[in-house]
Amino acid sequence: DGGITQSPKYLFRKEGQNVTLSCEQNLNHDAMYWYRQDPGQGLRLIYYSQIVNDFQKGDIAEGYSVSREKKESFPLTVTSAQKNPTAFYLCASSIGTGDASPLHFGNGTRLTVT
Amino acid sequence: AQSVSQHNHHVILSEAASLELGCNYSYGGTVNLFWYVQYPGQHLQLLLKYFSGDPLVKGIKGFEAEFIKSKFSFNLRKPSVQWSDTAEYFCAVAHSGGYNKLIFGAGTRLAVHP
Repeated sequence: DGGITQSPKYLFRKEGQNVTLSCEQNLNHDAMYWYRQDPGQGLRLIYYSQIVNDFQKGDIAEGYSVSREKKESFPLTVTSAQKNPTAFYLCASSIGTGDASPLHFGNGTRLTVT
Repeated sequence: AQSVSQHNHHVILSEAASLELGCNYSYGGTVNLFWYVQYPGQHLQLLLKYFSGDPLVKGIKGFEAEFIKSKFSFNLRKPSVQWSDTAEYFCAVAHSGGYNKLIFGAGTRLAVHP
């Protein structure tokens, strides 16, 4: 079955450490996205990528970095500069970035930083 | 800045009751509107969407939503809910031609009791 795989499901890190969240898709989608979900705040866009080797900042990119070296993969690094990294992170993809491209979501990674 | 407001954070209904979840957005231009649903233990998935045309759109599982431009609203409705509709519902807005950058509301948790 085609889909988006996020790993791991739960991740624990000490404050001050960088951590990378994995996102892989086998849907042959061009566009990929990272969202952060906090209680009572819905989903907020961190970064998105329309094609390989290209990505743009979303609304809350500070303290995060991404890469898009392959079409299938869009890893997110949460750096030590991110002030409130504990959250639920969702990766998504779409066929393109046009209006008729619904997002397909992964199951998410819950990151806890202590 | 664009924003999406969902009026109810938690809704509790009995089976067969009617459902209406409110969604208002702040953006003056042409918009594309979405409702996503997350069932317990599952990933977010598209419930329905509005791009243009008939403002009353029908989605999966008997859901529908009405776009009222003058009220900047896109409320979700279902005449008779079932226990299996228990989920979290997210309204999302993207401005037309905006590279699929969705702005999500905070979500509404619906619990349906048998």
